[in-house]
Amino acid sequence: EAGVAQSPRYKIIEKRQSVAFWCNPISGHATLYWYQQILGQGPKLLIQFQNNGVVDDSQLPKDRFSAERLKGVDSTLKIQPAKLEDSAVYLCASSSLQGARGADTEAFFGQGTRLTVV
Amino acid sequence: DAKTTQPTSMDCAEGRAANLPCNHSTISGNEYVYWYRQIHSQGPQYIIHGLKNNETNEMASLIITEDRKSSTLILPHATLRDTAVYYCIVRPTLSGGSYIPTFGRGTSLIVHP
Repeated sequence: EAGVAQSPRYKIIEKRQSVAFWCNPISGHATLYWYQQILGQGPKLLIQFQNNGVVDDSQLPKDRFSAERLKGVDSTLKIQPAKLEDSAVYLCASSSLQGARGADTEAFFGQGTRLTVV
Repeated sequence: DAKTTQPTSMDCAEGRAANLPCNHSTISGNEYVYWYRQIHSQGPQYIIHGLKNNETNEMASLIITEDRKSSTLILPHATLRDTAVYYCIVRPTLSGGSYIPTFGRGTSLIVHP
């Protein structure tokens, strides 16, 4: 099956500019996550969607970050305006609605978008 | 949610077994242990998970202690391609049928020739 697709792979912008990332999850996966991974650290959850509703966005800096998942499929993450500390890899992941214990509860990750803010 | 503690780095000779430990002393009775790994410039990849019993799949084995306070991921015959950061994650209490993978810093495993 096709994996989680993300674009672009790389992006370089100046501080105070805007940027958007796109994610296409695995077909049929109801849950979608956006993570931020700063160099040398583990991924940090920014927002979780269940279909087109937000489940958890407690760590999303809402003054500059926004995300949407229209129609419960693709998702976009936007940063406006960007700061130097936003330089990171932005990872999108998806998982199916879990039922019983099993591999369908795992999250599948895309390759990420590496953002550099200069 | 329960926190995990892993060594920052480990190394292993190619062809030998790599044993990666993880402490999760505050784990709850209904929480699973999951392992992911992240190869350089890629997203994390699921490896294995377990609750109480030891588990094995085509990638690795997972040994969970009887008190569930720690676990060990075993790569039986490590190859150079197993060089990656390995994350041990405790699955939080469920709400609405989905879980949120929460990552620490993981263990950087280097497999050398």
